[in-house]
Amino acid sequence: DIQMTQSPSSLSASVGDRVTITCRASQGIRNDLGWYQQKPGKAPKRLIYAASSLQSGVPSRFSGSGSGTEFTLTISSLQPEDFATYYCLQHNSYPFTFGGGTKVEIK
Amino acid sequence: EVQLVESGGGLVKPGGSLRLSCAASGFTFSSYSMNWVRQAPGKGLEWVSSISSSSSYIYYADSVKGRFTISRDNAKNSLYLQMNSLRAEDTAVYYCARDPSVDYWGQGTLVTVSS
Repeated sequence: DIQMTQSPSSLSASVGDRVTITCRASQGIRNDLGWYQQKPGKAPKRLIYAASSLQSGVPSRFSGSGSGTEFTLTISSLQPEDFATYYCLQHNSYPFTFGGGTKVEIK
Repeated sequence: EVQLVESGGGLVKPGGSLRLSCAASGFTFSSYSMNWVRQAPGKGLEWVSSISSSSSYIYYADSVKGRFTISRDNAKNSLYLQMNSLRAEDTAVYYCARDPSVDYWGQGTLVTVSS
């Protein structure tokens, strides 16, 4: 099984800050990775697909990069509505696996 | 607009069974693989099972293999998850989600396994 190691598990940041979240895969997954945002009591929402493609309707302050085993989600200027938990997901091979999540909190 | 609506959750005793359903609309259901993903209270996301568009290929997480069965009815635009021999650790919100890259999700249905 492919393990996805996501870091950090939580972070505190202020509005306007640049935030970076990382996922490392235990083996190469090409670019078969998505990033999701989840707010309390809601279903996850996909932000990024194919590692670096922005989902339609998602603000351009969100970006993704990486390929193979190292992936990054960047929020260029954190907004109040971005405080949430973020997950990566590899769908290169079964079983699909999620990162452990990153909770982004207000500083 | 893609819509996925889960139903069938509830309270069940350990060892019991439950069948979840997911009604799909807004896309050609028969052309897409589908997934079930769950989230235990206060925990992260866990992929549970996938089924290909024609039901030819089915995959399960080790944690549910032998107890859960995924199926679909393309004529009814519906996805199912039959859950048997339920355990306390199966307590979670269960989401259906569209493949191939898990783009759209339903709102989830809560399954609670408790005596």
